[in-house]
Amino acid sequence: GAGVSQSPSNKVTEKGKDVELRCDPISGHTALYWYRQSLGQGLEFLIYFQGNSAPDKSGLPSDRFSAERTGGSVSTLTIQRTQQEDSAVYLCASSLARYTEAFFGQGTRLTVV
Amino acid sequence: GQQLNQSPQSMFIQEGEDVSMNCTSSSIFNTWLWYKQDPGEGPVLLIALYKAGELTSNGRLTAQFGITRKDSFLNISASIPSDVGIYFCAGQLNNNDMRFGAGTRLTVKP
Repeated sequence: GAGVSQSPSNKVTEKGKDVELRCDPISGHTALYWYRQSLGQGLEFLIYFQGNSAPDKSGLPSDRFSAERTGGSVSTLTIQRTQQEDSAVYLCASSLARYTEAFFGQGTRLTVV
Repeated sequence: GQQLNQSPQSMFIQEGEDVSMNCTSSSIFNTWLWYKQDPGEGPVLLIALYKAGELTSNGRLTAQFGITRKDSFLNISASIPSDVGIYFCAGQLNNNDMRFGAGTRLTVKP
């Protein structure tokens, strides 16, 4: 597709369940970012992938959070044993390696009940 | 880590007025970016700045990369109702991750 695609757009899950959020970056973009945005708040950095380099995981809030990027393209953010405080919009963005303009998807709104 | 302070947190202005918001950082950046987010959408890039002192315009928007590389401002002239939204600054050093400010929520009264 032409833009960054995220799925699902909305996810309601029960506390304690695992969830997987998917991001399809723009074709050819080697950099991929995950951010979390709580209601009315700014963007909290989670993880950054750049090509084949080891990802920068410094923003992941706990070991319940993990992400992978297969084949340098699609990325999956996994949250295990979800808690209510995990409720937020999870945004993915991608950019070309040489440039810094990052393009965002529409996000996945996660609600943990 | 890199901390970005964005101000003001919110602004309520009359249609036609000019707007100014800024970001400061404790660290230097190589790139400053300004994004706008509409409700229910992901942020959209407005302006990218790559060089200290650079002043760039995009229609009614003007942004500058501070000479110290630790700050940037965004001006919107002659605001219109569709300018409503949340404006975020972001800084990037080399090819590392982008860090975002907390956002400025803009309300424009017709």
